[in-house]
Amino acid sequence: GNSVTQMEGPVTLSEEAFLTINCTYTATGYPSLFWYVQYPGEGLQLLLKATKADDKGSNKGFEATYRKETTSFHLEKGSVQVSDSAVYFCALSSLSGSARQLTFGSGTQLTVLP
Amino acid sequence: GAGVSQSPSNKVTEKGKDVELRCDPISGHTALYWYRQSLGQGLEFLIYFQGNSAPDKSGLPSDRFSAERTGGSVSTLTIQRTQQEDSAVYLCASSFTDSTNTQYFGPGTRLTVL
Repeated sequence: GNSVTQMEGPVTLSEEAFLTINCTYTATGYPSLFWYVQYPGEGLQLLLKATKADDKGSNKGFEATYRKETTSFHLEKGSVQVSDSAVYFCALSSLSGSARQLTFGSGTQLTVLP
Repeated sequence: GAGVSQSPSNKVTEKGKDVELRCDPISGHTALYWYRQSLGQGLEFLIYFQGNSAPDKSGLPSDRFSAERTGGSVSTLTIQRTQQEDSAVYLCASSFTDSTNTQYFGPGTRLTVL
């Protein structure tokens, strides 16, 4: 079945530091890949997505590239801000058959200190 | 435009009572999903509706859980005879039926079973 393995947290960085959160996946076929962000007390917000190999998703300074050869979708940001403090979830959706639900990683708590 | 809405935002109930949680998807979205987020289990898929097709109930944890979707729009998740282990945040998401399966989430309902 599908699975997502995400870098364990928590991660604490100083403002303007470089961020990488690793994500690898197991799936059949060519899944869509997503990063969602959850701010304290809120629901999940779509941060970025990529739907085919070598696609790069980007939003709000965050980027992730769909790497089929390494089955990875690592999240990066060059300079984090205090407002980026949240929990980040990597997820995939297999588009084969009827199973279109998202499979999530365990989440990575990011805290950015001023 | 309007996003996914859920009600109530918080629900406190006593063990053994039934509860109903409501989800209004984004207008025009044909697919609707329910997930559960709990500390011990992370984000789990519960049930998936696609148009007029029979729902995919493969994620429901027990027969105390059921859901319906009326008129291809609003959905209600019902939990009968609630147990303390049902305490969690219940998230609803909706999407178009397309090649990306990009899902947009509501704010969730926090259920506490005393």
